[in-house]
Amino acid sequence: DVKVTQSSRYLVKRTGEKVFLECVQDMDHENMFWYRQDPGLGLRLIYFSYDVKMKEKGDIPEGYSVSREKKERFSLILESASTNQTSMYLCASSSDRGGGNEQFFGPGTRLTVL
Amino acid sequence: KQEVTQIPAALSVPEGENLVLNCSFTDSAIYNLQWFRQDPGKGLTSLLLIQSSQREQTSGRLNASLDKSSGRSTLYIAASQPGDSATYLCAVRPSKNRGSTLGRLYFGRGTQLTVWP
Repeated sequence: DVKVTQSSRYLVKRTGEKVFLECVQDMDHENMFWYRQDPGLGLRLIYFSYDVKMKEKGDIPEGYSVSREKKERFSLILESASTNQTSMYLCASSSDRGGGNEQFFGPGTRLTVL
Repeated sequence: KQEVTQIPAALSVPEGENLVLNCSFTDSAIYNLQWFRQDPGKGLTSLLLIQSSQREQTSGRLNASLDKSSGRSTLYIAASQPGDSATYLCAVRPSKNRGSTLGRLYFGRGTQLTVWP
């Protein structure tokens, strides 16, 4: 089974802190994604990556950056956390090999910025 | 830009009922459509994936159909149980001839389902 893990289930940070959210997948997927989910707004794509060191902006990249140094790991970075970045963050991965393209999600990180 | 709508937003039914959840999308040029389940405070669990060339997929009590030309998909849940209570999300992946999409999905807001005993 595909497994996508995220470094923390819950995280509390202060305004202005630099925050790292880590995501690891174990199925050699080339595509990885970061979403945030907020009540009433649904899932919104922040960034995605289709290969090591490659990244693409999603719909709401402002205030975030990403890093993909290894194929299995995709990091989301909040350079200077703000209260409006309090949210549920979800990581996902998929592969275009084999025609399936099914997207698999991690358990999520609930981030609170005080 | 692809827009995905799910109706109803919430549904509350007694155990044992057969249910239909609806999903519609504005651009019929899709590569595939995926249904997910999300329990409160958790990540998304993939339920069914329908490729654009397929009409339906089945897994246990779940059946998802796809009518690409009309921009619709339905998720049918047979003999609902309290354990089916969750939010169900529909997501579409645009077809590759719409430009490089790199596998991104467009999500609906979900249908929150409550099945009571």
